[in-house]
Amino acid sequence: GAGVSQSPSNKVTEKGKDVELRCDPISGHTALYWYRQSLGQGLEFLIYFQGNSAPDKSGLPSDRFSAERTGGSVSTLTIQRTQQEDSAVYLCASSSLSGGDIQYFGAGTRLSVL
Amino acid sequence: GEDVEQSLFLSVREGDSSVINCTYTDSSSTYLYWYKQEPGAGLQLLTYIFSNMDMKQDQRLTVLLNKKDKHLSLRIADTQTGDSAIYFCAEMSGGSYIPTFGRGTSLIVHP
Repeated sequence: GAGVSQSPSNKVTEKGKDVELRCDPISGHTALYWYRQSLGQGLEFLIYFQGNSAPDKSGLPSDRFSAERTGGSVSTLTIQRTQQEDSAVYLCASSSLSGGDIQYFGAGTRLSVL
Repeated sequence: GEDVEQSLFLSVREGDSSVINCTYTDSSSTYLYWYKQEPGAGLQLLTYIFSNMDMKQDQRLTVLLNKKDKHLSLRIADTQTGDSAIYFCAEMSGGSYIPTFGRGTSLIVHP
């Protein structure tokens, strides 16, 4: 596709359930980022993938959060045993090193934990 | 850690100029960005400037960088209602691939 695609666009879940959020980056982009945007807050960095290198997981808030990137393309962010404070918009971005590190963002997944 | 600060709200009249300000603390910042986020959408890059530049102009947008004071501004000339959005300032040092974002400034344009 032409841009970064995220699915689902909205997800409502019950507290304690696991959720999976998907990101399909721009074709050829080697870098992929996950961010969390809570109401009234800026972007909170979660995790960064670059090619085949080990991901930078320094932003993951707890061990309930994990992410993987298969084949250097699609990424899945998994939140286990969701809590109400996990409610936020989860944004994915990709970039190409040849593109001056400009990040291109998807529209995000709005997660609501009831 | 490094920090990026922005005022949270700005209200302007249609046709006036808007100036959104940002300060940052990382003296090694190499790239400075302005992103725009419309309701229900992701962030869209508006413009960026390298730290060795003082100014960059792109149509209605003017970015000014005062590296000594670590101050970045975005000026939107002839602001339109379609410019209403949240504007994020971000910085990234040359040795990093992870930018630091501000909280965003909500620009409200009224007739």
